[in-house]
Amino acid sequence: ETGVTQTPRHLVMGMTNKKSLKCEQHLGHNAMYWYKQSAKKPLELMFVYSLEERVENNSVPSRFSPECPNSSHLFLHLHTLQPEDSALYLCASSPDSSNQPQHFGDGTRLSIL
Amino acid sequence: AQSVAQPEDQVNVAEGNPLTVKCTYSVSGNPYLFWYVQYPNRGLQFLLKYITGDNLVKGSYGFEAEFNKSQTSFHLKKPSALVSDSALYFCAVRDRNTGGFKTIFGAGTRLFVKA
Repeated sequence: ETGVTQTPRHLVMGMTNKKSLKCEQHLGHNAMYWYKQSAKKPLELMFVYSLEERVENNSVPSRFSPECPNSSHLFLHLHTLQPEDSALYLCASSPDSSNQPQHFGDGTRLSIL
Repeated sequence: AQSVAQPEDQVNVAEGNPLTVKCTYSVSGNPYLFWYVQYPNRGLQFLLKYITGDNLVKGSYGFEAEFNKSQTSFHLKKPSALVSDSALYFCAVRDRNTGGFKTIFGAGTRLFVKA
């Protein structure tokens, strides 16, 4: 049990579909993150929310749309994705302090047909 | 610009031998440094961090790391490797001066420990 739960674990979708990834944390953290992990590449930070306010947005295409309704939940809404978007999407959370480590979920493996 | 380099894609070690996974970083200010491990089909797990003080940091599962400011390195070490240590290891850095939540990760080093 990592304290950060991601659903679904696996998702296969067509390029025209719309789907959402969900992340939930039970650690009382104030910050939540979305990362993209592709093979043999560094983790790519996509979005950061602190106290439900977006504080980082790293030039992510608009086909990815985050939502943070409260400090425990984070969503990533997907629409009209491209094959190169196939990757492992990781959610993480951390206390509101830069010297504290992040706690990661086990990820959603996304495959775009 | 901040960056993290893990120069080895893969490290092979025999069980019982010492292991080192290398990491060098570039950051404009003073860094917070982290090591994470990722097992198959799992997310990243925190191993250890350097904030301040003693340059040798001890972490989970017998791992330690040495902060070297002059060489801007933060190599991960373990005196005696176990087969169960086989995994993907990530070095990460945050600039303490700029603060914020942006963590830069290396590309990862795959560790194989052979029985």
